[in-house]
Amino acid sequence: GEDVEQSLFLSVREGDSSVINCTYTDSSSTYLYWYKQEPGAGLQLLTYIFSNMDMKQDQRLTVLLNKKDKHLSLRIADTQTGDSAIYFCAEIPYNNNDMRFGAGTRLTVKP
Amino acid sequence: DAGVIQSPRHEVTEMGQEVTLRCKPISGHNSLFWYRQTMMRGLELLIYFNNNVPIDDSGMPEDRFSAKMPNASFSTLKIQPSEPRDSAVYFCASRTQGGHGYTFGSGTRLTVV
Repeated sequence: GEDVEQSLFLSVREGDSSVINCTYTDSSSTYLYWYKQEPGAGLQLLTYIFSNMDMKQDQRLTVLLNKKDKHLSLRIADTQTGDSAIYFCAEIPYNNNDMRFGAGTRLTVKP
Repeated sequence: DAGVIQSPRHEVTEMGQEVTLRCKPISGHNSLFWYRQTMMRGLELLIYFNNNVPIDDSGMPEDRFSAKMPNASFSTLKIQPSEPRDSAVYFCASRTQGGHGYTFGSGTRLTVV
C-alpha cells in the first residue's frame, strides 16, 4: 500500500512495556522516525534509525527495524503515565524532502 | 533557539472571514512545511517550501488556501473565505538540509463557526 500504517490504539499498565508497530511504504527510505505528540502540543522527535541498522536503543526506548518486511517498532520499557501520548511513525523516501506520517497510535497508560 | 514559532495559538472566526496563520521557522532551516491535523484525516501535508520557494502544494485543499514565504524567517497560510470544515490544528515545521526529522511548532487551533 501507499500509506504508513499503524494501529490506532494501545493501552498498557504502568510499569509494563509498550510496543508500537508500524509498516512503512518505501524501501528506499534512508531514515525512519518516531514522533511523540502530547495533548495540545506539536510533534516532538523522539528517535530515529538509519536504514542500515536493525536496532537502536536510547534509554527506555528501543527501535527495531525489519527492512525486508518494511516493519518498524518502538518499545518503551517501564512505561509511565507521562508516556501517554500519540506516537507517529514517519519515513522520508530517498531523494524526497516530504516526510510521510502514519495516522498515529494513541498510547494510554493506566496506573 | 526558541524553536518553530506559530501564531496565534488559537483562532475562532466566523464562516466567510479571512484567516491568516503565521510561522517563524528555526533560523538556518531552509525547508518549511505546513500540515493540517484533524481526527478524521490525521496529519496532512498542505505545502512545503525549500529556500523560500514553494515545491509541492498538491495538498492544498482548494483555491481558498494560499501560502507564502516572503523570506527565510517567515511564512503565512491564508484561508479566504474560511468554512467550518477548515476547523483543525495547523502545524508548521522546519528542517535543515541533511538534518534529522522536522521540528514542529505548537500549532494553531482554528475553529470556524
